[in-house]
Amino acid sequence: AQKITQTQPGMFVQEKEAVTLDCTYDTSDQSYGLFWYKQPSSGEMIFLIYQGSYDEQNATEGRYSLNFQKARKSANLVISASQLGDSAMYFCAMREGYGQNFVFGPGTRLSVLP
Amino acid sequence: NAGVTQTPKFRILKIGQSMTLQCTQDMNHNYMYWYRQDPGMGLKLIYYSVGAGITDKGEVPNGYNVSRSTTEDFPLRLELAAPSQTSVYFCASSYSRDSSYEQYFGPGTRLTVT
Repeated sequence: AQKITQTQPGMFVQEKEAVTLDCTYDTSDQSYGLFWYKQPSSGEMIFLIYQGSYDEQNATEGRYSLNFQKARKSANLVISASQLGDSAMYFCAMREGYGQNFVFGPGTRLSVLP
Repeated sequence: NAGVTQTPKFRILKIGQSMTLQCTQDMNHNYMYWYRQDPGMGLKLIYYSVGAGITDKGEVPNGYNVSRSTTEDFPLRLELAAPSQTSVYFCASSYSRDSSYEQYFGPGTRLTVT
């Protein structure tokens, strides 16, 4: 079974608008971490935001926020005021328990339109 | 700080050849990881290490070996290369004192096996 599901292979958003990228996860651990990474066309992996399973507040980092709904096992990334430079692949990832075994989703390609 | 460096950037191997992908980090991180990314896919964990002398298998370890003799270096060895190992390989590191376990990625090595 897929541990990380990203159901949107591709998304389009108009510049300056907000966009939500979906991520659902599957784990039986009580302790886990959820991550979002950005991969521009140049190929590097850029860390965006982290949410711990015990964190009560949704994580925010500048224009990025993570909409964490624990009961639904979802960890959607919200990008506010999209910029052309936000066009990239976005990956949701999970670390289960206290180990170091990370699992990545298949990614969502975001295209920001001028 | 150079962060995480990987060499080489590109490599073409013939079937059955062997090679070592080098990874070095200068951030004194104790955790290090090797991932592969096949075209259009997310990252899959090959091996990881929680400190010098300690390594463990990830999701896709077959056909690879690792060693960790120092904190800084985490080389990945491919023995008897196969076309299925054509991929982009990323090395990453993180710090155990950072509760988010944010991973810092190298620029990647693009490997083609023909």
